[in-house]
Amino acid sequence: TQLLKQSPQFLSIQEGENLTVYCNSSSVFSSLQWYRQEPGEGPVLLVTVVTGGEVKKLKRLTFQFGDARKDSSLHITAAQPGDTGLYLCAGYPSDNQGGKLIFGQGTELSVKP
Amino acid sequence: NAGVMQNPRHLVRRRGQEARLRCSPVKGHSHVYWYRQLPEEGLKFMVYLQKENIIDESGMPKERFSAEFPKEGPSILRIQQVVRGDSAAYFCASSPIIPETGELFFGEGSRLTVL
Repeated sequence: TQLLKQSPQFLSIQEGENLTVYCNSSSVFSSLQWYRQEPGEGPVLLVTVVTGGEVKKLKRLTFQFGDARKDSSLHITAAQPGDTGLYLCAGYPSDNQGGKLIFGQGTELSVKP
Repeated sequence: NAGVMQNPRHLVRRRGQEARLRCSPVKGHSHVYWYRQLPEEGLKFMVYLQKENIIDESGMPKERFSAEFPKEGPSILRIQQVVRGDSAAYFCASSPIIPETGELFFGEGSRLTVL
């Protein structure tokens, strides 16, 4: 059972295009995080969203947490080749007994020059 | 580099051998997590440990896999009698407190190949 479902799973676009990655669940999360992972490395945290409806911006990246805290989105404006990588959403379920961060299956983004 | 250190980075084992993966958390972090990642997949939670205690091992296979985080020294993920299906990248992460909303700091992973 996939608690967090990401879509699309693969995305190949041209430099300068915009894109949105979605992270959905039927469960409520106390917080959601987005990580980026490059080949041969571990994931690195981009942002944490905690409040339903929250929007956070990180340069050309915009993150949103759904009002019901069941979903999140990552929007990239004017994508660049340096944005290429695996984007992972992850969350702490609201009934979490402590410490168990659940990951989506990831979105593999390729930005071609 | 004060980040999470994992070794070995790459490990090759034949079926039936044992694999030991080590993880030194960020200095001062007392919470360690192990995740497994298969190609083109996200990270699957395996186990959460504090010093000398296993807090949550709900993601660990019931057989052949064990983990420890002793009072002194690194955390160890041990896989006995490895099979081809154990081939994956194993990531360790650490945090300073129970991370209800906080960040996990990941190592660069140990890539296990079972021949």
